[in-house]
Order: sequence, then C-alpha cells, then structure tokens
Amino acid sequence: AQSVTQPDIHITVSEGASLELRCNYSYGATPYLFWYVQSPGQGLQLLLKYFSGDTLVQGIKGFEAEFKRSQSSFNLRKPSVHWSDAAEYFCAVLGFTGGGNKLTFGTGTQLKVEL
Amino acid sequence: AAGVIQSPRHLIKEKRETATLKCYPIPRHDTVYWYQQGPGQDPQFLISFYEKMQSDKGSIPDRFSAQQFSDYHSELNMSSLELGDSALYFCASSLGTGKNTIYFGEGSWLTVV
Repeated sequence: AQSVTQPDIHITVSEGASLELRCNYSYGATPYLFWYVQSPGQGLQLLLKYFSGDTLVQGIKGFEAEFKRSQSSFNLRKPSVHWSDAAEYFCAVLGFTGGGNKLTFGTGTQLKVEL
Repeated sequence: AAGVIQSPRHLIKEKRETATLKCYPIPRHDTVYWYQQGPGQDPQFLISFYEKMQSDKGSIPDRFSAQQFSDYHSELNMSSLELGDSALYFCASSLGTGKNTIYFGEGSWLTVV
C-alpha cells in the first residue's frame, strides 16, 4: 500500500524568504505525485503534479517540486514566499487498486508566514 | 473552467439524523471520489465510482452509502449520524481511473450536534 510522510507539521518563514516543504513517499511502482494547498475552510487546490519526464515540475503561484527517486522524495519549493501562501500543504501519491485509483495524502504541513 | 460542485456547503444535523451530500463532477469526468477530513487531519478516502459502478472502497462506515447516477453526479448518504462524523467532506472527480489528475470541490462542512 502506498503512503506519504510529511515530516514537518508546522513551518514558519518570513515573507520573502525561500521555502522548502518535505515529502517522502512509499510506493512499489512508478509514483504519480501531487501537491495540494488548502487555505482555512477551503477546498484542496492542485499546485502541481509529477507523472513522468522532467523531474523538476513547475506549478501555479511560483511553486516547483523536484522528484528524486533515489530518496523517494518530492519536495515543494518556492524562492520567495508571500504572506498569501500561508495555508496547509498536502503531498499525495496516486495509487492503483484492482478497481480504480485513489490519492493517499500525507498529514500535511501548516505554513505560517511572518511579515 | 467548471470545477467540482458540492452541495450543500454547510450542514448542521443532530445525532441519529440522516444527511445527504451531493457532488457534480467536472463536465466529462466519469470518476467521482469521496473523502472525509476531520479537524486537523488529512483527507481520508471513503469511496469512489467509475461509470456509475463502485470502483474502490476505503474507510467508509457501514452507516454511509453512496452512488453515482446516470449524469455522473454522486450522492453520499449518511445515516444514524454520530458526533464523530463532523468533518469536511470532499468530492473529487477525474477523467478515468488511470494516471489522471484528481480535482477537488470546495467541500461540504457537516456538523453533528
């Protein structure tokens, strides 16, 4: 069964500073990986995804993530954080079952941005 | 672009009552998923449907049932509600069950009092 670990429950950064959110996955085959963002009381918005090809993927809002198979990681980065980036970030892996597919999420990282 | 539509957005029910949540997937999407997110928790997979048939089942209580209709919308029925059912319920949709992006709705807040 697939699983995702996000080691950092809370992260605080200053506005304008760089950001890296860690994500490690466990999956027996080629992983299909996602990052979603959730603002308080809101839904899950897709930031970016990795299916294959270039291991550095670009997403919305200036985010990028790098897939590293050797480290089973898919860390999310942003060069300069804005106050509006404060939210909860979820890493997820798409797994395939006998009947279909489903996303398995990590426990999330709560990002706080200090002005 | 059209997104996943969920209704109602907020719902308050008493213990032992029944609640029904509705989900309208993105046009042409044939796969619907339901997730439950408790306070401070990550979304947990409940159940999914592909072409109106159940495709996978997760940690969905026996008190809950769901179905996908001919127009691909889905409904999650929850009976004998318990306080612990209070959560944000997400519906998501995708085109097929393969290597596809899954898009989420804004969620339905259920509060059981």
